[in-house]
Amino acid sequence: AQSVTQLGSHVSVSEGALVLLRCNYSSSVPPYLFWYVQYPNQGLQLLLKYTSAATLVKGINGFEAEFKKSETSFHLTKPSAHMSDAAEYFCAVSAEGNTGKLIFGQGTTLQVKP
Amino acid sequence: DTEVTQTPKHLVMGMTNKKSLKCEQHMGHRAMYWYKQKAKKPPELMFVYSYEKLSINESVPSRFSPECPNSSLLNLHLHALQPEDSALYLCASSQDPRGPKNIQYFGAGTRLSVL
Repeated sequence: AQSVTQLGSHVSVSEGALVLLRCNYSSSVPPYLFWYVQYPNQGLQLLLKYTSAATLVKGINGFEAEFKKSETSFHLTKPSAHMSDAAEYFCAVSAEGNTGKLIFGQGTTLQVKP
Repeated sequence: DTEVTQTPKHLVMGMTNKKSLKCEQHMGHRAMYWYKQKAKKPPELMFVYSYEKLSINESVPSRFSPECPNSSLLNLHLHALQPEDSALYLCASSQDPRGPKNIQYFGAGTRLSVL
């Protein structure tokens, strides 16, 4: 069965430090992968997507992610954290079978300290 | 423009009330989704509409009734809800439910409180 695992339910970084949010997936077919961000009391905003083109994907707000098939990973990075990056981050994979379902990880709360 | 509009933003209802949530998109997307999200949890899929037809119902109780009047509009009718149904209800849309076109854009959600 497909699954998404986000390592670390809570990540804390200092402002200006590297942000690394980890996501591992399992899928028996080539995956389509997504990172979403959710600010308090808001919906999910698409940060970036991997749909089998370039393995290094650039998104909004300076985030990027690298698809590594051998490691079944799709980790999210940002070189320098900003206070406004504090939010909940979800990694997701499209479910097999072309149903439209997304399988989400449990989420990672990013805290940015001044 | 990747905007999905949900109304109302907040809703408080009693267990005997009937209310509806509305979702609208004008991106020409042919797949629309309802999710339920509890605090500190990922969204849980409830329903999928594909080309205006209900394609997935994730065993949702019948007190939730979805409707897709046209390709731009999605409703969720609520009746006789329970307090545990209090949550953030999110709508999303994608160009198509299949493959690389299933890039879902979410609305801001409706915060529902059932008293």
